[in-house]
Order: sequence, then C-alpha cells, then structure tokens
Amino acid sequence: GPKVLQIPSHQIIDMGQMVTLNCDPVSNHLYFYWYKQILGQQMEFLVNFYNGKVMEKSKLFKDQFSVERPDGSYFTLKIQPTALEDSAVYFCASSLSGQYAEQFFGPGTRLTVL
Amino acid sequence: GDSVTQMQGQVTLSEDDFLFINCTYSTTWYPTLFWYVQYPGEGPQLLLKVTTANNKGISRGFEATYDKGTTSFHLQKASVQESDSAVYYCVLGESYAQGLTFGLGTRVSVFP
Repeated sequence: GPKVLQIPSHQIIDMGQMVTLNCDPVSNHLYFYWYKQILGQQMEFLVNFYNGKVMEKSKLFKDQFSVERPDGSYFTLKIQPTALEDSAVYFCASSLSGQYAEQFFGPGTRLTVL
Repeated sequence: GDSVTQMQGQVTLSEDDFLFINCTYSTTWYPTLFWYVQYPGEGPQLLLKVTTANNKGISRGFEATYDKGTTSFHLQKASVQESDSAVYYCVLGESYAQGLTFGLGTRVSVFP
C-alpha cells in the first residue's frame, strides 16, 4: 500500500538546539499531519497542514514549532529551540482528503533531547 | 474535551482464541470511529472505520460495533492468529476537526 517515509528514524540532540524532522508523504496526498507520542502515553495530534497553510493545531503545538512543505518536497517539523519535554516519537501522516479520511502514517522519528 | 479510553493495556492469547478489546469514548459531537493497528517498526495503519450511519465495520476478520447509547466501540475477532500480534488503537474522528484522538492502545500478543 501507499507508504509515508520519515527521516531520520532516530535523532539525538542537546537541549536548546534546533531540529528538523522530515516526512515524505504519499505522492498524491493533500493533507499532512504531525502527531507526538511520549513513551507510555497516548499519541497526540499536533498540527495539520493543507494548501500551504496550517489548518488546525493543538495546544501541544508550541511557538517553538513550525511546519512547512516548500515546493512539494518534504513536509517538515522544525523545533527551535528544543526542550527536554520534546523527547518523544513524532509520527507524520498524510491523507488524500480531509475530515474522516484514512490517514497513512510513517514509522516515526524518535527524538531524544539531552 | 474529546477522549478515548482503552482500559486493557495488554492482552495475551493463544492462536484460535477469541479477541475482545473494549473502548469507550466521550464527545459532544457525532464522531466517526476507527481502529488502527500498529505492527513493530511501523506506523499505525487503518484497520476499520465506522460511522454513525452504519454502526458496524468488518475488515480482515475483525469486527467493530459502535453503540451510541453506551458510547462504546469494541473490537473483536473470533479466532486470532500469531500474525495478529500488534498494538490496537481506538481512535475518534470529529466533524469539526481533522486531527484524530487516539486511545492509549492495547498490546495484543498471540502465541502459537
């Protein structure tokens, strides 16, 4: 089936540094999402992105977070600066349409902030 | 706010056993409900989807029934196989939002 890729699979950085997580969504999909899962906790929605804009974001999507997808390339999540509580697995997802559509998830990027 | 509760963190079964995972949800709107399954090293993938219109979904031998009265959405399978070992998430989708609300997940381990 359709695949979403995420690069890198693991990232370790020092607190205060910037990090960019990359997502290669399914090629014809139009809606893009990031979710965050802290070990042992529920996966939580961060943000969704459509037509070059953030459509919806949760309270977890702090001011230090930003997303973009320049010219149809990777869909990225940037955190600047990072904090210890940003350590988690971040999942990217994409869907062909919006509401209620099947979301296809990548395998996740495990981010460790020291 | 919206929430999903899966009380069973772990279920251990033998092949051909019956699987039942309990899920309850809380929302003020009319949700669509999903079960996603996650295999080791992969992201979650859709197993089945149920809307208020049809109340039941069936896929790959799994069945889920949606009960508005008790706000429950249980997943069951009559006879599990070792390949069904995975984490199963009960997930809520709302009409006013595109982000999904996930339950904590139930880790199902099936032994031959």
